[in-house]
Amino acid sequence: GAGVSQSPSNKVTEKGKDVELRCDPISGHTALYWYRQSLGQGLEFLIYFQGNSAPDKSGLPSDRFSAERTGGSVSTLTIQRTQQEDSAVYLCASSFSGTAGSGNTIYFGEGSWLTVV
Amino acid sequence: QKEVEQDPGPLSVPEGAIVSLNCTYSNSAFQYFMWYRQYSRKGPELLMYTYSSGNKEDGRFTAQVDKSSKYISLFIRDSQPSDSATYLCAMILYSGAGSYQLTFGKGTKLSVIP
Repeated sequence: GAGVSQSPSNKVTEKGKDVELRCDPISGHTALYWYRQSLGQGLEFLIYFQGNSAPDKSGLPSDRFSAERTGGSVSTLTIQRTQQEDSAVYLCASSFSGTAGSGNTIYFGEGSWLTVV
Repeated sequence: QKEVEQDPGPLSVPEGAIVSLNCTYSNSAFQYFMWYRQYSRKGPELLMYTYSSGNKEDGRFTAQVDKSSKYISLFIRDSQPSDSATYLCAMILYSGAGSYQLTFGKGTKLSVIP
């Protein structure tokens, strides 16, 4: 596609419910990232996928959070038993490769705005 | 101490002013430096990318890196109301073997008043 596509763009869910957020990266991009951005906070790294390598899950805040990437393309971020503190914008990004130093550009989607009530 | 520090603002300037946005960092291993612009309810978009100390210009924007002081800046000349956004600095530490760390500042909210 023309850009990184995320869905849903907005999601309101009840505390305790599970949610799935989807990311469709730019075609041909091998690296995919998930970030979380809370009000007044910076971008918090969650997880990074690069090709067929094992993902870097070091940023996932708890075991309620998981992500997968099927076929090296679309990724789904799942939050189980949502809590109010999970309310944030979840941003997905992709890049051509996972290596920096070549002017590699990381492109962000518009984000999925999650509100847990 | 956070690895990347950025004054959140908000910063309000009149149209036409020169804007200076800054970040400091603590890890001297950071190698690549970027500035992103984020409009309200949009994803961040890359403005500038540099990897060496010195200045890099692109139109009204100049990115400056001082590795000895661990300090980076973004200057916006002749600021316009359309520049009103949140500006985030970001840095990459590449550890090789396909692994690298990308760290963002918290962002500075800029308003350019007509």
